[in-house]
Amino acid sequence: EAGVAQSPRYKIIEKRQSVAFWCNPISGHATLYWYQQILGQGPKLLIQFQNNGVVDDSQLPKDRFSAERLKGVDSTLKIQPAKLEDSAVYLCASSLGQTYNEQFFGPGTRLTVL
Amino acid sequence: AQSVSQHNHHVILSEAASLELGCNYSYGGTVNLFWYVQYPGQHLQLLLKYFSGDPLVKGIKGFEAEFIKSKFSFNLRKPSVQWSDTAEYFCAVTRGNAGNNRKLIWGLGTSLAVNP
Repeated sequence: EAGVAQSPRYKIIEKRQSVAFWCNPISGHATLYWYQQILGQGPKLLIQFQNNGVVDDSQLPKDRFSAERLKGVDSTLKIQPAKLEDSAVYLCASSLGQTYNEQFFGPGTRLTVL
Repeated sequence: AQSVSQHNHHVILSEAASLELGCNYSYGGTVNLFWYVQYPGQHLQLLLKYFSGDPLVKGIKGFEAEFIKSKFSFNLRKPSVQWSDTAEYFCAVTRGNAGNNRKLIWGLGTSLAVNP
């Protein structure tokens, strides 16, 4: 079974630039999560999708972050414009459903904002 | 607000030593508890989980954890660590009766280094 795929693996940008991350969850997984993990901290949930609908985006900085999952499969997370404090690893995870199923994580995208 | 505390941020052990990593949570109701592990250069993966039943849970690679409800704790243990256990360990909690939105609340993680 293929795992959660993410790209790119690494990205370096300057502040005020834009960046987009892509995630393809495990086939058949209805729930998709985007996390931000700052060095030395645990993952912080940014947004959770159930199919193509948003379940929780309470911690997403909506003035600069956006995410979509138009067809209920893969998803993109965008930052526009980026700030220095956005430097982190962005993790995508998926699970079969919302009522707790194990979350499977992708390798993450390491973003450095200069 | 619900929170998860991991008491040890960095642990260094020699091979064959015993391991116990502390995890405490703040929510008083029904909880689901997890330990995730991230080996160097690899994805986060589930080590073990507790939903209900026997409070002593066994996971992969010889790890186990004990849920002590009265202490709001879910400590991770392994009787004899190996060099390959060097990794970052995260405790996470979700409310057991939160309906459809069971957001995982994560601890800050514990970095374990095992010297050969």
